[in-house]
Amino acid sequence: EAQVTQNPRYLITVTGKKLTVTCSQNMNHEYMSWYRQDPGLGLRQIYYSMNVEVTDKGDVPEGYKVSRKEKRNFPLILESPSPNQTSLYFCASSPTGTGGDEQFFGPGTRLTVL
Amino acid sequence: GQSLEQPSEVTAVEGAIVQINCTYQTSGFYGLSWYQQHDGGAPTFLSYNGLDGLEETGRFSSFLSRSDSYGYLLLQELQMKDSASYFCAVSSGYSTLTFGKGTMLLVSP
Repeated sequence: EAQVTQNPRYLITVTGKKLTVTCSQNMNHEYMSWYRQDPGLGLRQIYYSMNVEVTDKGDVPEGYKVSRKEKRNFPLILESPSPNQTSLYFCASSPTGTGGDEQFFGPGTRLTVL
Repeated sequence: GQSLEQPSEVTAVEGAIVQINCTYQTSGFYGLSWYQQHDGGAPTFLSYNGLDGLEETGRFSSFLSRSDSYGYLLLQELQMKDSASYFCAVSSGYSTLTFGKGTMLLVSP
């Protein structure tokens, strides 16, 4: 089944404790992206990647890191999480990242930083 | 920068037709997409307009006017399962997608 998977689905952590949220897609998509969703703010792009070893900042990259060492994986790293990073996070992928591409979203990771 | 405006909430009854508008301001424009999200779930793609005009996909249609920086999503023969949030999203660069804040559609019997 074609899908985007994320782990963990739920995470409660404390301020400053490094964490990684994994994202994997099995559709051989070149483009992958991370979004955060907060009430009343819609989805905001954190980082995106056009292909292996190519990443770029989205609208809200502060406090996050990403890497794209393999085409299928695009982990999101929070080196020192803070409470304002409490949010619902979605990973997405699309064939090329061009405007008309459908983006396929993972199921989401609900993160709480205490 | 980019900004998108869409109503925060729309209500309708089963069987009715509803239109969700989206206006945008952006530097560079490739097209307008629409996504549906049920409560707490993953957004799913509904439609994309790269050119002016109407695109129809079953009960859903989407319209774009580039000159007016305006688009809308039209949902016909509403069903209870259509209750969800709907997001317009602008492709303003080769690989960036900027979402609106979403419109919550409530369908009542």
